[in-house]
Amino acid sequence: KAGVTQTPRYLIKTRGQQVTLSCSPISGHRSVSWYQQTPGQGLQFLFEYFSETQRNKGNFPGRFSGRQFSNSRSEMNVSTLELGDSALYLCASSIPGQEDYGYTFGSGTRLTVV
Amino acid sequence: GQQVMQIPQYQHVQEGEDFTTYCNSSTTLSNIQWYKQRPGGHPVFLIQLVKSGEVKKQKRLTFQFGEAKKNSSLHITATQTTDVGTYFCAGLDGNEKLTFGTGTRLTIIP
Repeated sequence: KAGVTQTPRYLIKTRGQQVTLSCSPISGHRSVSWYQQTPGQGLQFLFEYFSETQRNKGNFPGRFSGRQFSNSRSEMNVSTLELGDSALYLCASSIPGQEDYGYTFGSGTRLTVV
Repeated sequence: GQQVMQIPQYQHVQEGEDFTTYCNSSTTLSNIQWYKQRPGGHPVFLIQLVKSGEVKKQKRLTFQFGEAKKNSSLHITATQTTDVGTYFCAGLDGNEKLTFGTGTRLTIIP
């Protein structure tokens, strides 16, 4: 079966712009989590969506937002980009209650803010 | 909030030597998961531990979950070049939020 698909793979944006990243989970996975990965901070949890509802949220400013659609696809949006937002953004899908299978990650979107 | 620390941050070993990474959580965990991320890749799920004191093995990898469910370890016996990567533990709390550890980057000297 298809894995987790993230688009785009690479993105270059200018400070002050906004960006939208997309994640399509594995078919049947209704939970989607987003993480920011940087060399200095590791994998930082952004938020998690399940059945179109945000179930958990990390400690990121309000410029970071997300949503989930009825087909479980998810998007995250970052407004007013800052240089420090440059990172690899990873999404992961899972089936709550079936943690034996863990989270399946996409290949990520590498965002560079200039 | 929950914090998950791993030590060491980096480990360089000669091929064939053993490797261990340790994971400690500031809070009691529902379960702990381990992931491996190859250079340039994304995290890949290895295993989950649920029970206090649980030990699981995958070939040369041995995973342990502490009695208090706040710490865990991953031990690799006789490392190979294919073991190169960063190993992350990740703790699931009562709210089903998965917090990743800081990771241990393993490099192998052939």
